[in-house]
Amino acid sequence: DGGITQSPKYLFRKEGQNVTLSCEQNLNHDAMYWYRQDPGQGLRLIYYSQIVNDFQKGDIAEGYSVSREKKESFPLTVTSAQKNPTAFYLCASSYRYYNSPLHFGNGTRLTVT
Amino acid sequence: DAKTTQPTSMDCAEGRAANLPCNHSTISGNEYVYWYRQIHSQGPQYIIHGLKNNETNEMASLIITEDRKSSTLILPHATLRDTAVYYCIVGGTSYGKLTFGQGTILTVHP
Repeated sequence: DGGITQSPKYLFRKEGQNVTLSCEQNLNHDAMYWYRQDPGQGLRLIYYSQIVNDFQKGDIAEGYSVSREKKESFPLTVTSAQKNPTAFYLCASSYRYYNSPLHFGNGTRLTVT
Repeated sequence: DAKTTQPTSMDCAEGRAANLPCNHSTISGNEYVYWYRQIHSQGPQYIIHGLKNNETNEMASLIITEDRKSSTLILPHATLRDTAVYYCIVGGTSYGKLTFGQGTILTVHP
């Protein structure tokens, strides 16, 4: 079945460590996105990529980095510079960057202590 | 992108139709209306989208007013599994920068 796979589902890290969240899609979608969701709040865009080897900052990119070396993969690194990294992270993709529904993975819940 | 306004919460009896409203008075001509839902601890699920005409798929119907300033998502026969947070989102050429707001918490009762 086509879809988006995020791994792991739960991730625990010590403060000061970088951590990379995986996102893979087999939908042959051009665009991919990373969102963050905090308890009781909506989704906030971290980074997005319209096409391979291209990505842009979203609304809350500070403390995060991404790469898009392959069409199907869009990993997110949460660096030690991110002040409040504990959150639910969601990856999404769409056929194209505009006028196309987003398809989401089931998220990674990151806890940093 | 245009902002949307949704009620914070709604209730519905199982088997009845659930009608979820959304106001988007600042929508521009090339912006679509999208609906998603999110069940606790899962990723949002795409439901339906439309530009001007009413739309229907296997999950729901979308009714957009003629002036496009508001829309209604209709779940024709709500089940307990439809209990979720429903997001109404408007977007077009800057789709990736859409804002998912607080949404409407729909609770379906037995």
